[in-house]
Amino acid sequence: GENVEQHPSTLSVQEGDSAVIKCTYSDSASNYFPWYKQELGKRPQLIIDIRSNVGEKKDQRIAVTLNKTAKHFSLHITETQPEDSAVYFCAASRTSGTYKYIFGTGTRLKVLA
Amino acid sequence: GAVVSQHPSRVICKSGTSVKIECRSLDFQATTMFWYRQFPKKSLMLMATSNEGSKATYEQGVEKDKFLINHASLTLSTLTVTSAHPEDSSFYICSARQGNYEQYFGPGTRLTVT
Repeated sequence: GENVEQHPSTLSVQEGDSAVIKCTYSDSASNYFPWYKQELGKRPQLIIDIRSNVGEKKDQRIAVTLNKTAKHFSLHITETQPEDSAVYFCAASRTSGTYKYIFGTGTRLKVLA
Repeated sequence: GAVVSQHPSRVICKSGTSVKIECRSLDFQATTMFWYRQFPKKSLMLMATSNEGSKATYEQGVEKDKFLINHASLTLSTLTVTSAHPEDSSFYICSARQGNYEQYFGPGTRLTVT
């Protein structure tokens, strides 16, 4: 079945450094790729997403890149801050049919002050 | 932005009883809602897709008779855990789809079965 691999599972960076999280998906028909941030005991919050017709999208300190040929997409956080500490999930979805998300396994990001 | 509520936020029940969890889209109509289960420090596991006015589509391995889903209106879906057992204790999260892309998540319900 479809799956999404996510790496690394944990990531520690110093405040101000950059963080990169990578995901690879298996379903070549996927064309929508959201990223969610989840704090402990809270709901996942959409932080950025990208559709298959673009290769990169940026929103302030957060950017996402997509390589459809390689079925690979990445989240980049620059100038990290302690409040960026959370678990980040990538997902892949088709935009027809069931529309269900296939989630990655999550990355626990710790930003050290 | 799109707001999804979930009720209750926490529930403790005795083994063998049933528990109902509600998921509401507050400011938009959601033809499709999703129910997830999340174990501690794990990813979200899709349990079922709930479509308004039709039967839910369950993922492989999810017992449809144990996890009853009803999507009676465009703003409400319910998940009923029937004959709950301690192994059903978990964090249950719903989401509602707006448009063709985004899913917005509810705050989750922590179920503890004693």
